[in-house]
Amino acid sequence: DAGITQSPRHKVTETGTPVTLRCHQTENHRYMYWYRQDPGHGLRLIHYSYGVKDTDKGEVSDGYSVSRSKTEDFLLTLESATSSQTSVYFCAISDSPGGGSSVRETQYFGPGTRLLVL
Amino acid sequence: QKEVEQDPGPLSVPEGAIVSLNCTYSNSAFQYFMWYRQYSRKGPELLMYTYSSGNKEDGRFTAQVDKSSKYISLFIRDSQPSDSATYLCAMSQAQGGSEKLVFGKGTKLTVNP
Repeated sequence: DAGITQSPRHKVTETGTPVTLRCHQTENHRYMYWYRQDPGHGLRLIHYSYGVKDTDKGEVSDGYSVSRSKTEDFLLTLESATSSQTSVYFCAISDSPGGGSSVRETQYFGPGTRLLVL
Repeated sequence: QKEVEQDPGPLSVPEGAIVSLNCTYSNSAFQYFMWYRQYSRKGPELLMYTYSSGNKEDGRFTAQVDKSSKYISLFIRDSQPSDSATYLCAMSQAQGGSEKLVFGKGTKLTVNP
C-alpha cells in the first residue's frame, strides 16, 4: 500500500460521538486525500491537503473536518458521528495536485478504515 | 449527466475469457486516464495509466482511450480467477485545470474457474 497506513482499521461508534481517523505516510508526498466509498456512490472526495496546514474541501465535506500538522499525518474528524457516515474511508497520497498528471505522480491508496455508526 | 459513467455490473465470466470494461465521460478536458483494481476489503491499486488517446498494453491488460468518443476501455485477456475484483476508472484534467481525480463507480468482475 505504498507506505500508507490507516488507523484504526475498524471502528464501531455511537451516534453523536466524535471520531478521528488517522492516515500516516512514509513517502513524503505533498498531497493527501480522504475519500469515502459507499455502494452506489463509488469513491467520493471528502477533503484534501496540499501541504502542512493547507487543506480544502471536497465533494462531500459536510460533517467532516481535517488537520495536517506534519507532512506524514492527515487526520479526518467526524465531530458528531451520524449513521449516514457509516462507510469505508480511504486515504490517498500523491506527489502532484490531483494525482493524475503522470503515472509517477498519481494517487496511491491506503488499506481503508471501516466505520460503523450505530 | 455525471462526469464519469461506469456500468456497475456485476460481470461474471469463465476463466480464460476476454473481459471488456468500459467508462464514458462528458468532460472533454480530461487528459489522463487510469484504471484501478480493488480486491474485496482492500484499497484501490493502480493498474493502468494512459495519457491522451491510444492504447497501452501491460501483460494481459490493455487500456484504450478514444477521446473523440469520450470512451475508455480496459481489456483483460486470458482472465484468471485472481482477476476477480472491482475495477474503477479514474480521470483528470491537464495541469492548470481542475486536477482532482474523478472516479467511476466501479465494475465488479468475477472470473469463474
